[in-house]
Amino acid sequence: NAGVTQTPKFRVLKTGQSMTLLCAQDMNHEYMYWYRQDPGMGLRLIHYSVGEGTTAKGEVPDGYNVSRLKKQNFLLGLESAAPSQTSVYFCASSARDLITYNEQFFGPGTRLTVL
Amino acid sequence: AQSVSQHNHHVILSEAASLELGCNYSYGGTVNLFWYVQYPGQHLQLLLKYFSGDPLVKGIKGFEAEFIKSKFSFNLRKPSVQWSDTAEYFCAGEAAGNKLTFGGGTRVLVKP
Repeated sequence: NAGVTQTPKFRVLKTGQSMTLLCAQDMNHEYMYWYRQDPGMGLRLIHYSVGEGTTAKGEVPDGYNVSRLKKQNFLLGLESAAPSQTSVYFCASSARDLITYNEQFFGPGTRLTVL
Repeated sequence: AQSVSQHNHHVILSEAASLELGCNYSYGGTVNLFWYVQYPGQHLQLLLKYFSGDPLVKGIKGFEAEFIKSKFSFNLRKPSVQWSDTAEYFCAGEAAGNKLTFGGGTRVLVKP
């Protein structure tokens, strides 16, 4: 049981380049989330999904797109990277059931630098 | 809008000292509250959670937190810290049915 995994772990992009971050979970969770972590700002929600085929905007969605074609995978895309997107990105998943509510399980993170 | 605030950004203490980290949330009604820990270079892990019932919640590694509804607070405590408790601690909360909101985090450094 690997939990939540993310690829890649590190990436350096030039301004204007594109990339996709992959998140996978093997806990059969319905809900998945993408956060970015910046110093002193905690985690801010970028996009989330409440089930396969659904996506929704979070607190800071601009410049990002997501897709949830399969229940276990949640992809985060940057179409044209900007230096302001330099951050650590975390994926999380949750069951939102009557036992665990919205307890979220996190992946190891992706450290992205945009030059 | 719902918000979670952590007033201490950095805490430095010696081993065996007691630790208390403050967390306040902004919304009334039913709330679910969490404390997560992030050790250096690692992902967030759940320390403890409060959904309902006993307001004193015990978590892993000797941590506990008290939910005080009248003060909108959910402070984290540990009676005696160890060097291995050096980490960043995040409080998070949600009003029923809403999204989880994180505080800004508190970096804790425990000196050996």
